[in-house]
Amino acid sequence: EPEVTQTPSHQVTQMGQEVILRCVPISNHLYFYWYRQILGQKVEFLVSFYNNEISEKSEIFDDQFSVERPDGSNFTLKIRSTKLEDSAMYFCASAGAEGNEQFFGPGTRLTVL
Amino acid sequence: AQTVTQSQPEMSVQEAETVTLSCTYDTSENNYYLFWYKQPPSRQMILVIRQEAYKQQNATENRFSVNFQKAAKSFSLKISDSQLGDTAMYFCAFMRTFGNEKLTFGTGTRLTIIP
Repeated sequence: EPEVTQTPSHQVTQMGQEVILRCVPISNHLYFYWYRQILGQKVEFLVSFYNNEISEKSEIFDDQFSVERPDGSNFTLKIRSTKLEDSAMYFCASAGAEGNEQFFGPGTRLTVL
Repeated sequence: AQTVTQSQPEMSVQEAETVTLSCTYDTSENNYYLFWYKQPPSRQMILVIRQEAYKQQNATENRFSVNFQKAAKSFSLKISDSQLGDTAMYFCAFMRTFGNEKLTFGTGTRLTIIP
């Protein structure tokens, strides 16, 4: 069964460093998403992406964040200058043409020291 | 904007019993989807069940069923014959039906199944 994959599973970085979180969505999916979950809290929407551009972004997704689909298979989330409060679990999700069900990856746990 | 409320932060139940998790939501939309996601200790997000608002019939998936009350904006999850593997966080989520829509999650209910 096809699945969304994410790498790395755990990333530790120093405050102020840039990080890139990688996702490989399900191959025939059209819609891509990033969500964030701070430990013990609910899952929050960051950004959605379709047809090589951002469809919607939340207020969390400020200028420090960017997304890219560089090669038709990977979908990346970049944080330019990490802050302590960026420590969280980051989930990638993708959806097919109907867009009525999102499939989640296993997440990347980001720890900012 | 849509909101999703889960008023039970924690619940526990004996193995093999039935448990119901509550969820209410607020929206001005008429057509939308509602979901229950399970998050075990591994933190993977697993879709448990989906309900389409235009369908009056409640969705069921094996031991999992929902009670969808559209007028009351209520969407509860019933787990029958609970098993130890059901121990997890459960999140209720809302999504509009326009194609490329985000999920809006509730704060979750931590369910513990007691052996």
